[in-house]
Amino acid sequence: EAGVTQFPSHSVIEKGQTVTLRCDPISGHDNLYWYRRVMGKEIKFLLHFVKESKQDESGMPNNRFLAERTGGTYSTLKVQPAELEDSGVYFCASSPPEAQETQYFGPGTRLLVL
Amino acid sequence: LAKTTQPVSMDSYEGQEVNITCSHNNIATNDYITWYQQFPSQGPRFIIQGYKTKVTNEVASLFIPADRKSSTLSLPRVSLSDTAVYYCLVVAWTSGTYKYIFGTGTRLKVLA
Repeated sequence: EAGVTQFPSHSVIEKGQTVTLRCDPISGHDNLYWYRRVMGKEIKFLLHFVKESKQDESGMPNNRFLAERTGGTYSTLKVQPAELEDSGVYFCASSPPEAQETQYFGPGTRLLVL
Repeated sequence: LAKTTQPVSMDSYEGQEVNITCSHNNIATNDYITWYQQFPSQGPRFIIQGYKTKVTNEVASLFIPADRKSSTLSLPRVSLSDTAVYYCLVVAWTSGTYKYIFGTGTRLKVLA
């Protein structure tokens, strides 16, 4: 069974540009989460989808970040416009409806904003 | 939400058993204890999860005392490939979601 996949693995953009990160959860996992780790800091929760609905988006840093999960399958996280402090690693995780307490993480997308 | 405290780093030798203890004094009744392993440039990988007493799987054991204020991850006979960061998390149901709170983790270095 395929794990959580994320695309791209790396992205280098200039300040002010837009970047869209994609996450494909494990098939059948209704729950999808986004996390990020900025340089030198701990991994922080951003938001949680249940199917296509946002269950909790309390960790989203500001309105430059937009997450979507149309159709309840894959999710995208758009940063527009990107700022220098957005650099970091963005992780996606998913969990099945019957075992929400266990999350499976993807490899992450490394974003560098210059 | 319960925050965890664990050693910043540990060294061990190949073939030894490694025990990493985590403190979580504010754990609530319905919270789970979960451990993840992370290698450089990879996402956290689930190792083991438990609620109380002892849990064992093919890679590790998790010991949780009756008061649940701490837990110990035990890795039997470590190898060089076990060098990684290990995170202890208390998983709590809050606001309709299981929100993971990551700490700094324990950097385990396995020496030959």
